[in-house]
Amino acid sequence: DQQVKQNSPSLSVQEGRISILNCDYTNSMFDYFLWYKKYPAEGPTFLISISSIKDKNEDGRFTVFLNKSAKHLSLHIVPSQPGDSAVYFCAASDRGSRLTFGEGTQLTVNP
Amino acid sequence: DGGITQSPKYLFRKEGQNVTLSCEQNLNHDAMYWYRQDPGQGLRLIYYSQIVNDFQKGDIAEGYSVSREKKESFPLTVTSAQKNPTAFYLCASSITGNYEQCFGPGTRLTVT
Repeated sequence: DQQVKQNSPSLSVQEGRISILNCDYTNSMFDYFLWYKKYPAEGPTFLISISSIKDKNEDGRFTVFLNKSAKHLSLHIVPSQPGDSAVYFCAASDRGSRLTFGEGTQLTVNP
Repeated sequence: DGGITQSPKYLFRKEGQNVTLSCEQNLNHDAMYWYRQDPGQGLRLIYYSQIVNDFQKGDIAEGYSVSREKKESFPLTVTSAQKNPTAFYLCASSITGNYEQCFGPGTRLTVT
C-alpha cells in the first residue's frame, strides 16, 4: 500500500506566483517529514523538513505546513521562480532511518 | 569536497547478466541506502545498511544483493533474477538516526 501519496503528478504556475504542492499520508506513526527537489538525471536534494510536533516550518521562499489530523502536508513556494522547475518528492519517516517517498510532483514555473 | 559518488552514470547490460553498481561516500556517514526510481513512481527502498557488515532488506529487495564491507562503500548487485531491472538507481547516506539523507547523482541502468 502507498503510505505517502502525492496526488498531483504535475503543477504549472506563473513566475512570481505561489506554488502549492500537496502530500497525504496514512501511517500515523510517521514523526518527521521532508521535501526533496530533483532535476532530471540527478539525485534528489534536501529542501526543507518538519517534525510532527510542529505545524509550520519556514526557510526563505519555502514553507512546509503539517496538518496531523488530516494527515496532510503541503509545500508552499513563494514567489515561484523558473529555476524551481523540478520534481518535488515528499518523504516521511517513522523510525529515524527509513524514508517512505511519495510519487513526486513535476512543478513547472513559466516565465 | 564531501559527497556521494555513483559510477557509472549510464550502464547497459544484456538480459541474464548480473551487474554491480558502485556507491562510495566520504561523508563519514554510518547509514547507506539504495533506491530505485521508475517513471511516475517515487523512490522505492531496495536495501539499507546502518553499520558495516550489516544490512536490511527494503521494500523491493528481490533480485538484488548488497555488501557493506567498508563504511565508505555500499555496492548493489542487480542479479538476473530481477524481473524489471531497467531503472534509475540512487544511493544515499545519512548519519545514523538523522532523518535527512544525502543522495548521489544516480546510475541509469538499461537491460536489453
